[in-house]
Amino acid sequence: DQQVKQNSPSLSVQEGRISILNCDYTNSMFDYFLWYKKYPAEGPTFLISISSIKDKNEDGRFTVFLNKSAKHLSLHIVPSQPGDSAVYFCAASALKNYGQNFVFGPGTRLSVLP
Amino acid sequence: DTGVSQNPRHKITKRGQNVTFRCDPISEHNRLYWYRQTLGQGPEFLTYFQNEAQLEKSRLLSDRFSAERPKGSFSTLEIQRTEQGDSAMYLCASSLSVQQETQYFGPGTRLLVL
Repeated sequence: DQQVKQNSPSLSVQEGRISILNCDYTNSMFDYFLWYKKYPAEGPTFLISISSIKDKNEDGRFTVFLNKSAKHLSLHIVPSQPGDSAVYFCAASALKNYGQNFVFGPGTRLSVLP
Repeated sequence: DTGVSQNPRHKITKRGQNVTFRCDPISEHNRLYWYRQTLGQGPEFLTYFQNEAQLEKSRLLSDRFSAERPKGSFSTLEIQRTEQGDSAMYLCASSLSVQQETQYFGPGTRLLVL
């Protein structure tokens, strides 16, 4: 049973437009969420995080939105650039048990077309 | 480069052989994690250390797998009597033990069991 779901395996967006990547979770104990980006032959790279006391966190072109009641978060990339083409993983953890493992979704492959 | 490093980057072995992977975390990080990633999936937690103590092991970690972090610095992951199902990318991550921690990943070791 997947606790973290990314239902879109892939997404294609035109350069300069907005990319929206979605993530759903089932475990109500999760209260800290992260997005990672992964290029081929590299490990995942941290992008941005959000705790459940917030509903939005912004860092440059990247914004993460959290809807706790819907158990849903999304990553917005504006404007999208060709270098953003990668696999994006959503991850979740329970801060009360901090130091334990993150649970990752299966990833969404983003292709930004020039 | 002061990031997480992993060796070897690739390993091909025959079924039944033992393999050992090494991870060198970011120097001031006291937590170290091992994950496994298969095609089309996100990283799956295997085990983690706080300093030299192994604090949690996933049920995915069969008794053929053993991990050590003897001096609280580098870590090794050994797989005994490898099986074809062990073929995967093995990722190491490290972090500081703060409440909203960020795990920083190495490039991974890709294992192929023939």
